[in-house]
Amino acid sequence: GEEVAQTPKHLVRGEGQKAKLYCAPIKGHSYVFWYQQVLKNEFKFLISFQNENVFDETGMPKERFSAKCLPNSPCSLEIQATKLEDSAVYFCASSQSPRENTEAFFGQGTRLTVV
Amino acid sequence: RKEVEQDPGPFNVPEGATVAFNCTYSNSASQSFFWYRQDCRKEPKLLMSVYSSGNEDGRFTAQLNRASQYISLLIRDSKLSDSATYLCVVDSWGKFQFGAGTQVVVTP
Repeated sequence: GEEVAQTPKHLVRGEGQKAKLYCAPIKGHSYVFWYQQVLKNEFKFLISFQNENVFDETGMPKERFSAKCLPNSPCSLEIQATKLEDSAVYFCASSQSPRENTEAFFGQGTRLTVV
Repeated sequence: RKEVEQDPGPFNVPEGATVAFNCTYSNSASQSFFWYRQDCRKEPKLLMSVYSSGNEDGRFTAQLNRASQYISLLIRDSKLSDSATYLCVVDSWGKFQFGAGTQVVVTP
């Protein structure tokens, strides 16, 4: 597609429930990034993929968070046993291969509210 | 120390005035630099890339100073529609690092 598509737009989960977020990158983009933005705070990098392979997962919480990018499927970010502090907007972005001045394009985000 | 640092503002700017702000980065190996704009917690949108020689796009001018490891953004003839949060983004081989954003409020 011509834009990064994230679903759902809004997600409400009770504490302890699972949340699964999806992201379809722009066609032809081989890099996918997930970021978490809490309230007005900065973007926290979670994980990136180069095609189906994890490229950088240094921002991923070791427990409860997992992510995948499988061929011919949207990428996904899953949070097991959600906590109140997981409430945030989760943005997905995609870009072409990392060469100079290749920008990342962002999806509209998924607003997760844990109650 | 954060990898990318910005003055959070807000910068209150009268309409028609000029405003400028910087962003510093810690990784000297960073290759690419961008200014993104975010409105009301919508998705960030690319404002402009920042080239080594500096570049201009209409009322917006971006500069890169590799020696001092900072980039800057200058907005001339500010419009009400320029009110937003401006995010500095630094890319090191596919790892996009964000600053916390600088809020600009343009007032009539």
